[in-house]
Amino acid sequence: GESVGLHLPTLSVQEGDNSIINCAYSNSASDYFIWYKQESGKGPQFIIDIRSNMDKRQGQRVTVLLNKTVKHLSLQIAATQPGDSAVYFCAENRGLTGGGNKLTFGTGTQLKVEL
Amino acid sequence: DTGVSQDPRHKITKRGQNVTFRCDPISEHNRLYWYRQTLGQGPEFLTYFQNEAQLEKSRLLSDRFSAERPKGSFSTLEIQRTEQGDSAMYLCASSLGSGTGETQYFGPGTRLLVL
Repeated sequence: GESVGLHLPTLSVQEGDNSIINCAYSNSASDYFIWYKQESGKGPQFIIDIRSNMDKRQGQRVTVLLNKTVKHLSLQIAATQPGDSAVYFCAENRGLTGGGNKLTFGTGTQLKVEL
Repeated sequence: DTGVSQDPRHKITKRGQNVTFRCDPISEHNRLYWYRQTLGQGPEFLTYFQNEAQLEKSRLLSDRFSAERPKGSFSTLEIQRTEQGDSAMYLCASSLGSGTGETQYFGPGTRLLVL
């Protein structure tokens, strides 16, 4: 019979273009978000984070925007390079007993950079 | 390399067998986390240690799963009587916790296949 699998949303961009990856969340009480990059066969790698008291935060070639009204955040990558090809996850950070933090990850978006 | 390391990187086992994975966190990181990631999904939180104390466990962590961090440094995750549904990538992360919002650094993961 036919097998049904899960397919990650995919974003294909040309090298040098800007990329925008979107993420929606449901809990209006969420106050801290992190973007991770995961390359094939590797663990997630921290990119940038943002707290709910900010609307925008910039890093090197990356910008995260947070819209608390519609519970949406986005990751913008400027001048996308082949090395940016990976799966990108947004994660909500929640406090745990004793001060630790639980990350709840979204589904992820596969970014493909075309030469 | 002073990042988080995990061993083994890959494990194939038969259903019903026990397996044990090891995680070595970044030196002096007091917090250690285990996550599980299935194909096409983001990582899911399993459990968390602050030093040697296991402070939080997810409902995903059935009685067949046990984790330890005996000396507050490396950690082990054991799965007893493995089932095919246990096939996944098991990720370890560590952080230097000093309140909320510390960055979790992930290891490369152990990919488990249960036949």
